[in-house]
Amino acid sequence: AQSVTQLGSHVSVSEGALVLLRCNYSSSVPPYLFWYVQYPNQGLQLLLKYTSAATLVKGINGFEAEFKKSETSFHLTKPSAHMSDAAEYFCAVSAPFSGGYNKLIFGAGTRLAVHP
Amino acid sequence: EAGVVQSPRYKIIEKKQPVAFWCNPISGHNTLYWYLQNLGQGPELLIRYENEEAVDDSQLPKDRFSAERLKGVDSTLKIQPAELGDSAVYLCASSPTGLAGSSYNEQFFGPGTRLTVL
Repeated sequence: AQSVTQLGSHVSVSEGALVLLRCNYSSSVPPYLFWYVQYPNQGLQLLLKYTSAATLVKGINGFEAEFKKSETSFHLTKPSAHMSDAAEYFCAVSAPFSGGYNKLIFGAGTRLAVHP
Repeated sequence: EAGVVQSPRYKIIEKKQPVAFWCNPISGHNTLYWYLQNLGQGPELLIRYENEEAVDDSQLPKDRFSAERLKGVDSTLKIQPAELGDSAVYLCASSPTGLAGSSYNEQFFGPGTRLTVL
């Protein structure tokens, strides 16, 4: 079975500072990994995904994430935070033979606050 | 192109009352998902449809929850009777259908219905 752990339910950064949101996964088979963003009163939007190609994945809005198999991690980073990045971020995992790549298992989420 | 549409956006009911949520997926998306998102948690899959067929409903509490997608387009999720613990956001998502189990198809989420049970 797959699972996801997001370290830190709340992260606060200054505008212009580095954003680092942590995600560790558990999977008995090579997984697909995702980061979604959720703005208040909106649905989830895909930021980026890892699907067994390049381990460094670039997404929208300047975000990127690196798949590290040895650390079972898929941390999300952005070099310089913007006020508009304030939102809830969810890491998710999926894998074949457990409902297929389209069965997403989400972490509990990390709320990012950006202050001036 | 319109995204996933859900209604109502907010619903307040008393416990033991029935409630229904409606979802219209993106045109051409054959796969439809219903998720439950409790406060402070990530979404959890309730049911997945491929066209009219419910292919994964293992997480749907069938004693009080039901869902249908009669014509393979829009879908309704019902709770009867509602309990206090059902207060949550109910998300609908849709995706195009690719090779089942062997490829990923991006899921597009609606804004959700926030249910409050008093």
